[in-house]
Amino acid sequence: AQSVAQPEDQVNVAEGNPLTVKCTYSVSGNPYLFWYVQYPNRGLQFLLKYITGDNLVKGSYGFEAEFNKSQTSFHLKKPSALVSDSALYFCAVGLNRDDKIIFGKGTRLHILP
Amino acid sequence: DAGVIQSPRHEVTEMGQEVTLRCKPISGHNSLFWYRQTMMRGLELLIYFNNNVPIDDSGMPEDRFSAKMPNASFSTLKIQPSEPRDSAVYFCASTPGGGNTEAFFGQGTRLTVV
Repeated sequence: AQSVAQPEDQVNVAEGNPLTVKCTYSVSGNPYLFWYVQYPNRGLQFLLKYITGDNLVKGSYGFEAEFNKSQTSFHLKKPSALVSDSALYFCAVGLNRDDKIIFGKGTRLHILP
Repeated sequence: DAGVIQSPRHEVTEMGQEVTLRCKPISGHNSLFWYRQTMMRGLELLIYFNNNVPIDDSGMPEDRFSAKMPNASFSTLKIQPSEPRDSAVYFCASTPGGGNTEAFFGQGTRLTVV
């Protein structure tokens, strides 16, 4: 069965510093990996995805993520954090044999001014 | 396209009552998902449909929960009878299908069972 782990419930980063939100996954087969962001009282918004090819993928709002097959990780990164990046971030995994998408529990990111 | 549309946005009901949540997916999308979000359990997949057919309902918590998709543009999630522990935000999402496409989420329905 596929699963996603986000080991940190909350991450605090000072504005202007680099940020990393961690994600590891477990699947049998080749994964499709996604990051989403949720602002208060809103639905989830897509940030970026890894399907195949280059392990470093770039997405919206300056975010990027690196796929590491040996460590089964897909950490979300940004070189310089903004206060407006404060939100709830979800990692998700899908498989190429069906459309099922499983989400992690989410990591709350606080960017401190 | 207006995106995935869910109704109602908020629902407050008494324990034991029937609750029906509604979803209109994005036109042309082949897969539809129902998720439940709580503080304790995060975002749980309840059920998903492909071409209006339920594919995996293993996440449906109990027989009190049921979901239908009578056509490509409409789905319902019903809870009967509702209980306080069903209080959560319920999201509907749709994708064009194929596994490698991102899901588009509705705004969610915040359900409170008192």
